[in-house]
Amino acid sequence: KQEVTQIPAALSVPEGENLVLNCSFTDSAIYNLQWFRQDPGKGLTSLLLIQSSQREQTSGRLNASLDKSSGRSTLYIAASQPGDSATYLCAVLSGGYQKVTFGTGTKLQVIP
Amino acid sequence: EPEVTQTPSHQVTQMGQEVILRCVPISNHLYFYWYRQILGQKVEFLVSFYNNEISEKSEIFDDQFSVERPDGSNFTLKIRSTKLEDSAMYFCASSSTGIYAFGSGTRLTVV
Repeated sequence: KQEVTQIPAALSVPEGENLVLNCSFTDSAIYNLQWFRQDPGKGLTSLLLIQSSQREQTSGRLNASLDKSSGRSTLYIAASQPGDSATYLCAVLSGGYQKVTFGTGTKLQVIP
Repeated sequence: EPEVTQTPSHQVTQMGQEVILRCVPISNHLYFYWYRQILGQKVEFLVSFYNNEISEKSEIFDDQFSVERPDGSNFTLKIRSTKLEDSAMYFCASSSTGIYAFGSGTRLTVV
């Protein structure tokens, strides 16, 4: 059974800082890994999708890496801004029927 | 770009009533899913649907729940005799060959 864990559970940083969010998963037989952003009470906004054959993906100030063999992914946010404050979710697609397993999330607060 | 559409965005229902949450998956996708997120908790898998039948379901998905693909475009989640603890955000998703898309969710409030 796939399990996804995210560390830390919460993070508070001053504006402008670079930061790293961590995700680990137990079953390395994945199709892909996706990072989402979720604002309070809202839906899921896809940030980056990394296919199992890829090592990293970049979009603007965001960079996500994937080490499938060790079951780890990191999301790097450069020059953080107050607008980045949200919960970040890691989600892994795996299994015969392509089920997504979500992590527990990291709640980020960027202080102006 | 095609997207998964969910309606309504917010539904309020009285305890004991039945609700139907609706979803229109991406047209050429083959797998369909429902997920649930209780406020403050993680997103949980409920059920997957493939080839007009349930392919996998979680222990949450008991006899109170059912899914249906009544026509070629809609995918519905029916919750019978709703309870207060069914209040949550419900996400529909569809996929094909690893391409996965989520809807924006339906917030269900049971009062």
